[in-house]
Amino acid sequence: NAGVTQTPKFRILKIGQSMTLQCAQDMNHNYMYWYRQDPGMGLKLIYYSVGAGITDKGEVPNGYNVSRSTTEDFPLRLELAAPSQTSVYFCASSPPRGVVGDQPQHFGDGTRLSIL
Amino acid sequence: AQTVTQSQPEMSVQEAETVTLSCTYDTSESDYYLFWYKQPPSRQMILVIRQEAYKQQNATENRFSVNFQKAAKSFSLKISDSQLGDAAMYFCAYRSWGYGNKLVFGAGTILRVKS
Repeated sequence: NAGVTQTPKFRILKIGQSMTLQCAQDMNHNYMYWYRQDPGMGLKLIYYSVGAGITDKGEVPNGYNVSRSTTEDFPLRLELAAPSQTSVYFCASSPPRGVVGDQPQHFGDGTRLSIL
Repeated sequence: AQTVTQSQPEMSVQEAETVTLSCTYDTSESDYYLFWYKQPPSRQMILVIRQEAYKQQNATENRFSVNFQKAAKSFSLKISDSQLGDAAMYFCAYRSWGYGNKLVFGAGTILRVKS
């Protein structure tokens, strides 16, 4: 039972490069989330999705894009990497309230991204 | 929009002693969840304890308990019989039952445990 899987675990990018952070969950959760965690800070919501084909902006969406073509996958794309995007990125998933009780969000192990 | 405030950037506790981490939040909603997450150096996000806003009884999980004061919008975490493995960053989080059931996190409190 893998839960939420994030790849890669570490990545170094040059300014202006693009990349996609992958996130997959095998729990058939409708809701998925992307957070970033800057050093010494809490997690901030970048984007979220309530189901395949539906995505919404969170608190800090600028510089990122997402897609949700399947229930399982929720990739996060950085188009033009900037030093301000150096952070640890977490993906999470959960069922909506009322499904299988009140389930908290399940988190992946994070991706540490450095942009130089 | 909801906000979560953790006013203690860092706390220390002696092994086997008790420590309380503070958290306050702001919301206009009446129904919500509150959580404490533990983040050790491995960066994993580990759920410690959760509290449903409509329940008056404070949640307890082994050595971890909360003091939930809904009117004061306060949600503190008490760790009893502290162990070296409790050393970590602790985050307080608010979960809305609005669209998307989003989590809002506090800035975190670093807990150091002294032997």
